[in-house]
Amino acid sequence: EVQLLESGGGLVQPGGSLRLSCAASGFTFSSYDMTWVRQAPGKGLEWVSAISISGSTTTYGDSVKGRFTISRDNSKNTLYLQMSSLRVEDTAVYFCARRYDFWDYWGQGTLVTVSP
Amino acid sequence: EIVMTQSPATLSVSPGERATLSCRASQSVGNNLAWYQQKPGQAPRLLVYGAFTRATGIPARFSGSGSGTEFTLTISSLQSEDFAVYYCQQYDKWPPRTFGQGTKVEVK
Repeated sequence: EVQLLESGGGLVQPGGSLRLSCAASGFTFSSYDMTWVRQAPGKGLEWVSAISISGSTTTYGDSVKGRFTISRDNSKNTLYLQMSSLRVEDTAVYFCARRYDFWDYWGQGTLVTVSP
Repeated sequence: EIVMTQSPATLSVSPGERATLSCRASQSVGNNLAWYQQKPGQAPRLLVYGAFTRATGIPARFSGSGSGTEFTLTISSLQSEDFAVYYCQQYDKWPPRTFGQGTKVEVK
């Protein structure tokens, strides 16, 4: 069974940093591109970032470019999102998802709250 | 950036009735269109990709159609578990991948 389990969310002040993790199981993690998608409270879905199978290619949405870094450790079957210079508007549930084009499996999400 | 527009924002339907949800792209995305269902407090669930291919385990009452800029998700006979928010998403051009704003299907 494919499982994606996010962790690392929490409350952080504006300007702070946080690292999210997504532990994958039930499939060959190193064979799939991976993606982060977020959802602000009561709002729609927003694509954040994607990473290629090897990690050599990364792509970011304009709202997070230069502040967030996506990475992966295929030996640990884990996807990461390093978030820095956090803003109030980054408050959201962050989901990891499998694939880079459309997303067939999603984690349950982890809540990031940016507040003074 | 390709803008995806869904209509209506809210659709009130009685159980057993048909629901028709629309999604329009600001430019052609070919057949590179997916639909997701999201229930409160849950992650989105992939329903359809390639505009009309049902994802694994998705009931046949869900069907997708369209190409280019106009797409439709039809739920042939609404079940109680189908009341949720539905999103379309294009994956033809990126970055960014873009979503519609969602259609909430509620009980009439």
